[in-house]
Amino acid sequence: QSVLTQPPAVSAAPGQKVTISCSGINSNLDDHFVSWYQQLPNTAPKLLIYEDDKRPSGIPDRFSGSKSGTSATLGITGLQTGDEADYYCGTWDNSLRPLFGGGTKLTVL
Amino acid sequence: QVQLQESGPGLVKPSETLSLTCSVSGGSISSYYWSWIRQPPGKGLEWIGYIEYNGRTIYNPSLKSRVTISVDTSKNQFSLNLTSVAAADTATYYCARVRGSFDYWGQGALVTVSA
Repeated sequence: QSVLTQPPAVSAAPGQKVTISCSGINSNLDDHFVSWYQQLPNTAPKLLIYEDDKRPSGIPDRFSGSKSGTSATLGITGLQTGDEADYYCGTWDNSLRPLFGGGTKLTVL
Repeated sequence: QVQLQESGPGLVKPSETLSLTCSVSGGSISSYYWSWIRQPPGKGLEWIGYIEYNGRTIYNPSLKSRVTISVDTSKNQFSLNLTSVAAADTATYYCARVRGSFDYWGQGALVTVSA
């Protein structure tokens, strides 16, 4: 059972917007940066968002991150079938140990 | 461009030791932290531990008694040893660079624990 809670699944139609939430207990999210990872089928996870809301080079601005208190949100606009993947949030505990959410499966209908 | 590549046996017998190596190219291992993460089939990500280039390590408490991560700066590699494996250790094992987040990942190595 993950310390960070994500919905198991979300879905939306192509072109629409979807949000994926990540909530943390023990103030982990409140004290530390949040990152988001995209895992396409049968591939390794890829960094999508770091430091709550920053995108690495090459990640389109359709992907956005935000954080408020002990919750974080990943937003994806202009959904494409190629966005179908598992999405994980991540942060750190106060002992500098990484934490991951349980993952959210995105289906583009 | 930093690249990571896992290598090691894909099949390990129960009670034996799982050993994997991660080769880093496109950058020096003598910076940042380097981590192992695993993912059982159909399940989520589990952090195993990480190491700094000078050898300082931090492990997941749930695996700490069985895990050793080491680094070889001369070869630009770091390694994972997991002892006394069981079927529950069957997973894809990823190595990754730690820079606040996990910014570069290897492609993963599937390790099956079976007799």
